[in-house]
Amino acid sequence: EDQVTQSPEALRLQEGESSSLNCSYTVSGLRGLFWYRQDPGKGPEFLFTLYSAGEEKEKERLKATLTKKESFLHITAPKPEDSATYLCAVQSDSGYSTLTFGKGTMLLVSP
Amino acid sequence: DSGVTQTPKHLITATGQRVTLRCSPRSGDLSVYWYQQSLDQGLQFLIQYYNGEERAKGNILERFSAQQFPDLHSELNLSSLELGDSALYFCASSVEGAGGRIGYTFGSGTRLTVV
Repeated sequence: EDQVTQSPEALRLQEGESSSLNCSYTVSGLRGLFWYRQDPGKGPEFLFTLYSAGEEKEKERLKATLTKKESFLHITAPKPEDSATYLCAVQSDSGYSTLTFGKGTMLLVSP
Repeated sequence: DSGVTQTPKHLITATGQRVTLRCSPRSGDLSVYWYQQSLDQGLQFLIQYYNGEERAKGNILERFSAQQFPDLHSELNLSSLELGDSALYFCASSVEGAGGRIGYTFGSGTRLTVV
């Protein structure tokens, strides 16, 4: 059974204070690892897909990296508008295209 | 606007009742997925339909059922509702059904409150 564990559960940063969110996963064969952003009361919004260990992707202040056991979402010089819950999900290569999600990291960036 | 439309946005109903949640996928997407999100469980996969046929089942209760119609919209039916069914229900869509490597596009969800 695919499993995704995200840490920390919650993170409070000051504006400009860089940090990283962790996503540890167990999957029989990884087809893809996904990062989503979710604002309160809204649906998850796609950020990145990573396919193989060593891959990195960037978007504005966010950078996602992937190893064989975990992924990190690095947030550089965050702004208050980066406050959201960040969700990690894996897609196994042994079945159909369903995603297994972690419980997320709730990020709060204070001005 | 993600292109995935869910109605209604909010639903308040009593225990024991039955409700229907509706989802219209993004134009061109053949797969529809239903997820339940509660505070303690996170996003839990319920069921997937691809081009009208059930493709995969997750942690969906027997009291819940879904279908996808020829126009590709989908409905999730929840019956004999219990207090614990209160949650956000999300629909997502993708162009692929199997073997794909792309993620989903999510709707804005239906917030169900059972009182």
